[in-house]
Amino acid sequence: SQKIEQNSEALNIQEGKTATLTCNYTNYSPAYLQWYRQDPGRGPVFLLLIRENEKEKRKERLKVTFDTTLKQSLFHITASQPADSATYLCALSNDYKLSFGAGTTVTVRA
Amino acid sequence: GAVVSQHPSWVICKSGTSVKIECRSLDFQATTMFWYRQFPKQSLMLMATSNEGSKATYEQGVEKDKFLINHASLTLSTLTVTSAHPEDSSFYICSASIRQTTYEQYFGPGTRLTVT
Repeated sequence: SQKIEQNSEALNIQEGKTATLTCNYTNYSPAYLQWYRQDPGRGPVFLLLIRENEKEKRKERLKVTFDTTLKQSLFHITASQPADSATYLCALSNDYKLSFGAGTTVTVRA
Repeated sequence: GAVVSQHPSWVICKSGTSVKIECRSLDFQATTMFWYRQFPKQSLMLMATSNEGSKATYEQGVEKDKFLINHASLTLSTLTVTSAHPEDSSFYICSASIRQTTYEQYFGPGTRLTVT
């Protein structure tokens, strides 16, 4: 069965540094990979979508890469700020049904 | 744009009773809505997919007679947890997609259900 794994440990970083999160998957060939942000007690918020034929996508301080050979996506938050502290979820799909990873909790300290 | 609301944000009910959760897309028409459940420190698990005017499609292991889903219009879907038990206590989140564009989903703020 398909498996989606994100950084198993929480990530603590200093403000201004770059946070890099990993999403690995097996037994799956997704056409789309998405990243969401979730704050405690809230629903996820869509951040970025990258297609299988795209290598990299950027949005403001966020960058996502998608390597279908390695079956891996990297999510970068550059110039991190305390307001970036949240749990980040990767989600894979071939259509409208999403399969989520468990998430990585990022804490940015001032 | 693409705002989804849920009501109530939290609810406490007694074992054996039923509770209804509403999910509304406020500024767009949602061809498809989704219901997820999330336990603490765990990922979102898809429960069912609903399309306006048709029966919901439930994921394996989800009891359709226990979790009743109605998608009466392009802006409203409801989830009714029937004969609730303490193990149904969880965080329920709905989302909506606009299939004509891309496959990102817009999530509601979630409903915390506690069954005593």
